[in-house]
Parts: sequence; structure tokens; C-alpha cells
Amino acid sequence: SYELTQPPSVSVSPGQTASITCSGDKLGNQYACWYQQKPGQSPVVVISQDNKRPSGIPERFSGSNSGNTATLTINGTQAMDEADYYCQAWDSSTVVFGGGTKLTVL
Amino acid sequence: EVQLVESGGGLVQPGGSLRLSCAASGFTFSSYAMNWVRQAPGKGLQWVGYISARSTTIYDADSVKGRFTISRDNAKNSLYLQMNSLRDEDTAVYYCAREPNRSGGSGFDFWGLGTLVTVSS
Repeated sequence: SYELTQPPSVSVSPGQTASITCSGDKLGNQYACWYQQKPGQSPVVVISQDNKRPSGIPERFSGSNSGNTATLTINGTQAMDEADYYCQAWDSSTVVFGGGTKLTVL
Repeated sequence: EVQLVESGGGLVQPGGSLRLSCAASGFTFSSYAMNWVRQAPGKGLQWVGYISARSTTIYDADSVKGRFTISRDNAKNSLYLQMNSLRDEDTAVYYCAREPNRSGGSGFDFWGLGTLVTVSS
């Protein structure tokens, strides 16, 4: 079965750039999406179609997807960005989520 | 305002059944595909299944195949998940999520607050 692999954790200092990767076989051949989930809340899509920011998502969030890796980048990371982040893609008739990355802003 | 409200969760014994509902409002429900996604306590997101706008296409995860059934009633603006032969590992918060454009990579743009299902004797 298809798998998406994310690092379990990423740490970043406030104001710096955070990058979270998501790896999967030929992932660049399909669309990748990214979700942010804060404790006790439902997930929120922050990037769709590889690199599109939905309405209301700050410009500091961006995405890319090529080859076997999709990347979520947060420029000028703020304390409010501390959360779990999940990548997601469709593989044929199945939706796959990455295992999630806990972003710590310290 | 788009709203998705799940209900029907609760405590059930292993081997039991439960039916979850997701009430949609604030948008034309019949125009959107929907998904169920679950999250076990302290764990990541796990996709459960997909149903197209007019129920012509239904997919489900291998882990629930043959036990869970996804359906919808567009006249009632409602999505359902019938869960049978429940196991301990089905314990999770179950979310319904809207998907505007699967082939276009839209992702799941709105999620409900979730309903907790606990399978335990």
C-alpha cells in the first residue's frame, strides 16, 4: 500500500523558516495537500493542489511538490503556527495521510 | 456559513454496531463529495472512506472494508457511516470532511468537529 513519510518533529525559532517534508513514491505525479491541526481542534487545510493557499491562510504558508517529495514551508514562523501538520494525497482509489509532524516553535 | 456536524458516537462493545451521521448546512450538499476520516487518541489522521456527490462512487479503506458502509441522503443533507463488527482499534474521533474537487487536488476544505467512538467491553 502507498505510504507518505513525514519527520515526527521539527523545531524552529520564531521568525525563522520551517520546512516539513512528505515523501512518497512518485508523489510529484499527484496533488499533495497539507493540514494543520492544533490540540483539541479539527484539521484545517493550509495548502491544496501542491501550492495553493485557501482563503484565509496567511501568505507565510507555501508548498511545493516534485519528484518523490512535497514540502510545506512556513516563512517567518509565528508561535501560533505550533501544531501538528499532515500531508495528504490520493493514490488511485485511496486517500493517504502522512504520519504527521509536530512543529515546535521555540 | 458551511457547517458539518457529526453525531451518533458513543460507547459500544466489541462486535457491536453504530451509525454515525453528519449533518451539512450552508452549502449545496448534493454538489460535493464527502469523506470520513478518523483519529485514534493521540494518533494521526486515518482516512476511512469517500462517497461522490451522487453516490455513484464509493471507496473505503482496507481496514474497514466489509465492516463499514458509507452512504448519503442528499434530500436530507446528510452523510452516514454504518459501522458493524466494531473492534477495539476502531476507537477514534470520526470526522466528516467535504472535498470540492478530488481530481483537482482540492483536499478537504471543511471538517466537522468530530464524534468520539469508543469500542470497549
